[in-house]
Amino acid sequence: KAGVTQTPRYLIKTRGQQVTLSCSPISGHRSVSWYQQTPGQGLQFLFEYFSETQRNKGNFPGRFSGRQFSNSRSEMNVSTLELGDSALYLCASSLEQDRPSYEQYFGPGTRLTVT
Amino acid sequence: DQQVKQNSPSLSVQEGRISILNCDYTNSMFDYFLWYKKYPAEGPTFLISISSIKDKNEDGRFTVFLNKSAKHLSLHIVPSQPGDSAVYFCAARRKPYNQGGKLIFGQGTELSVKP
Repeated sequence: KAGVTQTPRYLIKTRGQQVTLSCSPISGHRSVSWYQQTPGQGLQFLFEYFSETQRNKGNFPGRFSGRQFSNSRSEMNVSTLELGDSALYLCASSLEQDRPSYEQYFGPGTRLTVT
Repeated sequence: DQQVKQNSPSLSVQEGRISILNCDYTNSMFDYFLWYKKYPAEGPTFLISISSIKDKNEDGRFTVFLNKSAKHLSLHIVPSQPGDSAVYFCAARRKPYNQGGKLIFGQGTELSVKP
């Protein structure tokens, strides 16, 4: 079974631009979550989508948005990029399970550099 | 507001010795804890977990200990191997579990195991 894939793997943008990152979950997984990883901050939860609906949102400004398509693929968008948005953006997918031990599977991430 | 904290950004251990990675949390609503391991250019992968109703969980060379009264958990790796060199993230989750990705992560500890 193919893992979580993210495209592109690396991206360089300039301040003020906008960017779209893509995530394809493991086949059959309907929950997709996005995290931002920066040095010293660890992984911070951005949002989670399930069945094309945003179900959870972290403490990020409105410049960060996302969506999920009917095939469970997800995109996240960052508008008006700032230098502080430089980070590794990770996508994770999981099966829908109402028990704590379910596992999230992470993609390799998209490394975004804002100059 | 860092609800999950890993206060040691790095740890260096000799091959064959024990590695102890620590994690503290502040939110008493967390009832399930996970450790993830991350190699460069890869996404985090699940390592081991523990429910708050237990105080120890063991899987091969990896053991996680939970001290609920101190809101502290630790990951022990015995014996440490050079292939264990990676960044280790502690994460916590709480009900409702079926709301996908809202894992709260610590900042990570970079473990280096020297031959």
